[in-house]
Amino acid sequence: SQKIEQNSEALNIQEGKTATLTCNYTNYSPAYLQWYRQDPGRGPVFLLLIRENEKEKRKERLKVTFDTTLKQSLFHITASQPADSATYLCALVPVFTGGGNKLTFGTGTQLKVEL
Amino acid sequence: DVKVTQSSRYLVKRTGEKVFLECVQDMDHENMFWYRQDPGLGLRLIYFSYDVKMKEKGDIPEGYSVSREKKERFSLILESASTNQTSMYLCASSLPTGNKDYGYTFGSGTRLTVV
Repeated sequence: SQKIEQNSEALNIQEGKTATLTCNYTNYSPAYLQWYRQDPGRGPVFLLLIRENEKEKRKERLKVTFDTTLKQSLFHITASQPADSATYLCALVPVFTGGGNKLTFGTGTQLKVEL
Repeated sequence: DVKVTQSSRYLVKRTGEKVFLECVQDMDHENMFWYRQDPGLGLRLIYFSYDVKMKEKGDIPEGYSVSREKKERFSLILESASTNQTSMYLCASSLPTGNKDYGYTFGSGTRLTVV
């Protein structure tokens, strides 16, 4: 069966360190993968998209890697801050479906950045 | 600021009631989606639409229907609400597949409780 797996245990790190979150998938050949941030009681907010032919993408303190051989994406936040505390979701589009790019989401990993 | 607006943040309905959840976007997006989010299960796609009057079933369409009469509005209908439909409902919109690095824009969610 198809699965998107993110670590369900919360990740606690100290301010200033690099947080690394993992997204593994099985039985998918994703066209692209996305990462979202979700705060409690709010909708997810889009952060980054990486395509199957890209190895790495950066945006400010964020970096995403995508290894289609390992079937894994890593999401890094450098110089983490308490304001980065949130749940981070990965999502992928299994295949291009014409106009409808429906995403399938992982269950998310909660990040807590402590002072 | 671009927005997806969901009509209610909190709703309490009785079992058997017909429930309408409204979603409006101001970004002229072709694609619109309805997800529900439950602890431990993540976001699950209920229905999506990639054009006016078009709709497609997602992964869990049973007990739901949708309507898209105008491009900016996508309504989710619970035909006869049941307690297992108590959940957070999230609406999202997006441009079609392949449009650069755009992700979904989500609304703030409607927390529905069926009693």
